[in-house]
Amino acid sequence: GAVVSQHPSWVICKSGTSVKIECRSLDFQATTMFWYRQFPKQSLMLMATSNEGSKATYEQGVEKDKFLINHASLTLSTLTVTSAHPEDSSFYICSARGERGRGYNEQFFGPGTRLTVL
Amino acid sequence: GENVEQHPSTLSVQEGDSAVIKCTYSDSASNYFPWYKQELGKGPQLIIDIRSNVGEKKDQRIAVTLNKTAKHFSLHITETQPEDSAVYFCAARRGTGNQFYFGTGTSLTVIP
Repeated sequence: GAVVSQHPSWVICKSGTSVKIECRSLDFQATTMFWYRQFPKQSLMLMATSNEGSKATYEQGVEKDKFLINHASLTLSTLTVTSAHPEDSSFYICSARGERGRGYNEQFFGPGTRLTVL
Repeated sequence: GENVEQHPSTLSVQEGDSAVIKCTYSDSASNYFPWYKQELGKGPQLIIDIRSNVGEKKDQRIAVTLNKTAKHFSLHITETQPEDSAVYFCAARRGTGNQFYFGTGTSLTVIP
């Protein structure tokens, strides 16, 4: 149980285009999801916390107009990288907090999405 | 805020030997400490966790110890196997908040 999927697993796009990444909790409802960015050989950097039905909370230094987050349902959160540039190339990982009574203290991670902007 | 430090950044061991990775944290309010294993090109997977009311937890070849007074916790892997090779991250969570604070990662290589 507690499986999180991401789609796509990898994407290559041209500079200036927008890319949407989906994060789904497959067998549980996730009121809170998190989006991370990871550069090669580095740790996970929290970008934003997404709560179902409300606006995301962005970490300091993360542009909310560039990284649009929508958490419209209890099983889906999306991250849209708008007007992508080569410096946005990275590994994006989402995670979901477990339900109450079922891994509520834990975060379950998706497999990640490799974004390459040409 | 919380600051989590992790050592070493790289670790190589012979197959069958033990591996130990250590983390320290700064916020005494942190009460949940998970360890994640990340294989190349994949998302982190939880391998073991410990809460602040426990000093040690073991799951087969993997164990975690917590010293609340010193604010450090460690991951111990015994009888290492090549498939244990991966990057390991520790994390700490403050109180009942949402945010996890991650260590900088340890790249473990098990040499056959």
